[in-house]
Amino acid sequence: AQSVAQPEDQVNVAEGNPLTVKCTYSVSGNPYLFWYVQYPNRGLQFLLKYITGDNLVKGSYGFEAEFNKSQTSFHLKKPSALVSDSALYFCAVRPNTGGFKTIFGAGTRLFVKA
Amino acid sequence: DTAVSQTPKYLVTQMGNDKSIKCEQNLGHDTMYWYKQDSKKFLKIMFSYNNKELIINETVPNRFSPKSPDKAHLNLHINSLELGDSAVYFCASSQVGTHTEAFFGQGTRLTVV
Repeated sequence: AQSVAQPEDQVNVAEGNPLTVKCTYSVSGNPYLFWYVQYPNRGLQFLLKYITGDNLVKGSYGFEAEFNKSQTSFHLKKPSALVSDSALYFCAVRPNTGGFKTIFGAGTRLFVKA
Repeated sequence: DTAVSQTPKYLVTQMGNDKSIKCEQNLGHDTMYWYKQDSKKFLKIMFSYNNKELIINETVPNRFSPKSPDKAHLNLHINSLELGDSAVYFCASSQVGTHTEAFFGQGTRLTVV
C-alpha cells in the first residue's frame, strides 16, 4: 500500500538552530513530493516540491528539502529556525502515473523556542 | 483574490441537522477535493472531482454527498449530522496531469452539538 510516514509527532528546536522534519514514503515509481505548512486556523500552504533533477529543492521562507531516492526520503530543512516557523508541517506524495490522489503524512508539529 | 474560498468558516449545528459547505476556486484547475482533518490533525481525503466527474470516493458515510455544478465549484452536503462529524473540512484544487501543487481553502470548522 502507498503511504507517507512522518516519524516525529513534534520537533523542538531553538531559534537560530538548524531544523529537520523527516519524511519517508512508500510509493511505486518516481512520485512527485511536496511539503505544506499549516498555521493555526489556516489552510495548508505550499512550501516546495520535488519533481525531477537536483536532489536539493529550495522553497518558500528559506526552507529546503533533500530528496534521497535510495532511502525514499524527502526531509525538510532550514539552516536557521525562526519562532515564526512554528507550525504543522505535512509531507505529501503524488504518484506520477497520472493518478489523482495525493497522499499526506500525519503531520509534524514544529516548535521553535526563542 | 482568494484562490480557493470556502463558506462558511465556522459552522455550529445540532445533531440530526443537514448542512452544506461551499467551495469555489478561481485558478482554472480541473480537479477539486474535499479533505477532513480530525482533532489529531490527520488529513484524510474524502472526495475528488475532475471536470465535474467524481473520481475519488473514499470510505465515507452516505450522509456525505458532494456536488460539482461546474469545474470551479465543489460543494459538500451532510445529512443527519453526528457528533463524530465534528472536524475541519478543507477544500482544495489542482490541475491533474501536471506536477502542480494543490491549493487549499481556509477550512470550515464544523462543530456538531
